[in-house]
Formats: sequence, C-alpha cells, structure tokens
Amino acid sequence: DGGITQSPKYLFRKEGQNVTLSCEQNLNHDAMYWYRQDPGQGLRLIYYSQIVNDFQKGDIAEGYSVSREKKESFPLTVTSAQKNPTAFYLCASSLSAGASYEQYFGPGTRLTVT
Amino acid sequence: AQSVSQHNHHVILSEAASLELGCNYSYGGTVNLFWYVQYPGQHLQLLLKYFSGDPLVKGIKGFEAEFIKSKFSFNLRKPSVQWSDTAEYFCAVNGAAGNKLTFGGGTRVLVKP
Repeated sequence: DGGITQSPKYLFRKEGQNVTLSCEQNLNHDAMYWYRQDPGQGLRLIYYSQIVNDFQKGDIAEGYSVSREKKESFPLTVTSAQKNPTAFYLCASSLSAGASYEQYFGPGTRLTVT
Repeated sequence: AQSVSQHNHHVILSEAASLELGCNYSYGGTVNLFWYVQYPGQHLQLLLKYFSGDPLVKGIKGFEAEFIKSKFSFNLRKPSVQWSDTAEYFCAVNGAAGNKLTFGGGTRVLVKP
C-alpha cells in the first residue's frame, strides 16, 4: 500500500528543545516537501527537496532544518530558534519537482510546544 | 511572489444547496491551479487541477472549477452538496515555471444534514 507516513501523530515538547518529525514515502517520488498549517493561513512551505542530498528553503524556513540522505525519507527538525513551533506539520511528495506534478500528502503531525 | 486569496473562511450550507468557493491569485505568468480538500481526519487530497485547455475543469465527487484568466480567479463549484462534503477546501497556485505550490488560507465548509 503506497503512500506517505508521518510519525508520530501527536508530539509534545518543552520549549527550548529540538524535535524531529519523521516523513517516509514509498511512492518512489523524487521530490518531497514540508508545510506548516495554521488556522486561517493555509499551508506554508518550509523546505523542499527535489532530489536526494539536495534541499531548498521555502517561505518560512527560519528555525527549521532538514536532511535528505535517502530518497524515501525527509525528516524535519524544529529547532529551539523557531519562535512559534506549535502547529500542524504536513509532509508531501511528488514524482518530480516540476509545476505540473501533483503533490501527495501525509496524515500530518500535530506538534505542541509548551 | 505569488499569492492566493480565498474570500470565505467559513461556509455553512444545507444539503442540496449549491456551493461556490472563491479563489483569486496574483501571479504575472502562466499558472497551474489546484483545489485540494481535507475531510475530517483524512489526508489532504487533490480535488481537481487546471494546467491548460478548457477553463472549466471537472474533478472528483461532482466538483468543478472555472479558470477566468482576466479575473485571476479559479472558483470551485458544486451544484448540490451532501453532508459528506463537509471539509476544508484549499486553493493552490504554482507558477508554471516554478516548483513551489502556494496555498490560500482555506475555507471550512459545513453541510447540515
């Protein structure tokens, strides 16, 4: 059953701690993306990766970091430098990074930082 | 930079009513346009997309959208909604030369049985 998995579904952390969100896909897609979803603001792009060992900043990359060591995995680290980390985080992938490729989304991770 | 505006944040309808959700974008070049839907507890999924050709596109579950280039709009419609259409709907734009999808703020639709 192909798709995108994100774990965990809910994550709680104390302020000042870094936390890593997992994203795995078995769709054999080259491109992967991380978005942040906040009420009334839609989805905002954090980072994206067009191919293994390559990634680019999105619109709100400050306070986040990523790696792409394997094609199927694109973990996101929310660092202590992120001022408002509490949010719903969505991972997506597409066959390629071109504009005409549909993005497929995972179920999301809801991060709460207190 | 491209941006997307969805005018209605919340819409409440009764079953069998017609639905129209507005979406306007700002981008000077050729665009690819998408509507995504997020049903309660489910993944965000593609409803329909427009790349070129007939500006009236049909998607899943009886939805359609019309691209009006002169108005920079891509409104979503459904003639008769069902309770199962309760969801959050997102319009998204991708400049055809780029690879970044820009989303609108979303519209929460509640269909009363």
